[in-house]
Amino acid sequence: EPEVTQTPSHQVTQMGQEVILRCVPISNHLYFYWYRQILGQKVEFLVSFYNNEISEKSEIFDDQFSVERPDGSNFTLKIRSTKLEDSAMYFCASSAGVNYEQYFGPGTRLTVT
Amino acid sequence: GQNIDQPTEMTATEGAIVQINCTYQTSGFNGLFWYQQHAGEAPTFLSYNVLDGLEEKGRFSSFLSRSKGYSYLLLKELQMKDSASYLCAVFLSSASKIIFGSGTRLSIRP
Repeated sequence: EPEVTQTPSHQVTQMGQEVILRCVPISNHLYFYWYRQILGQKVEFLVSFYNNEISEKSEIFDDQFSVERPDGSNFTLKIRSTKLEDSAMYFCASSAGVNYEQYFGPGTRLTVT
Repeated sequence: GQNIDQPTEMTATEGAIVQINCTYQTSGFNGLFWYQQHAGEAPTFLSYNVLDGLEEKGRFSSFLSRSKGYSYLLLKELQMKDSASYLCAVFLSSASKIIFGSGTRLSIRP
């Protein structure tokens, strides 16, 4: 069964450093998403991406964040200058259409020290 | 604003039935998702309701009333592996994003 994959599974970085989180969505899916979940808290929407542009973004997704689909398979989330409060689990998701279920990847645990 | 409410914790017995309720008040509504999330893992899709009524899928059923802003997830023949958090999430119209509730942590006792 096709699945969303994410790398790395765990990333440790120092405050102020740039990080890039990588995702490979399911191959025939057209919509891509990033979510985050701070430990013990709820899943929060960050951004949705369709047709090579951002469809929607939340208040969390400020100018420190960016997304890119550099080729036909990868979907990346970049945080330019990490803060301690960026420590969280970051989930990538993809769906076949806007009104279809979203399939989540296993997540990347980001720890900012 | 967006508001999704569900109980924080529930406990049930193996083999029994449990109903997890969710109420929502959102600006726009396209449909309602239920996801299961085991500790330290990603959410996994359970159901998606767009229209009013009950949808059944094996041991899991989900109900939606759009006029009441209400949904429930019904789990039958509970198994120990059903111990997890259950996330209610609303898919907003005119925006391709999902708003999640805080989740209900379900514990199954033998």
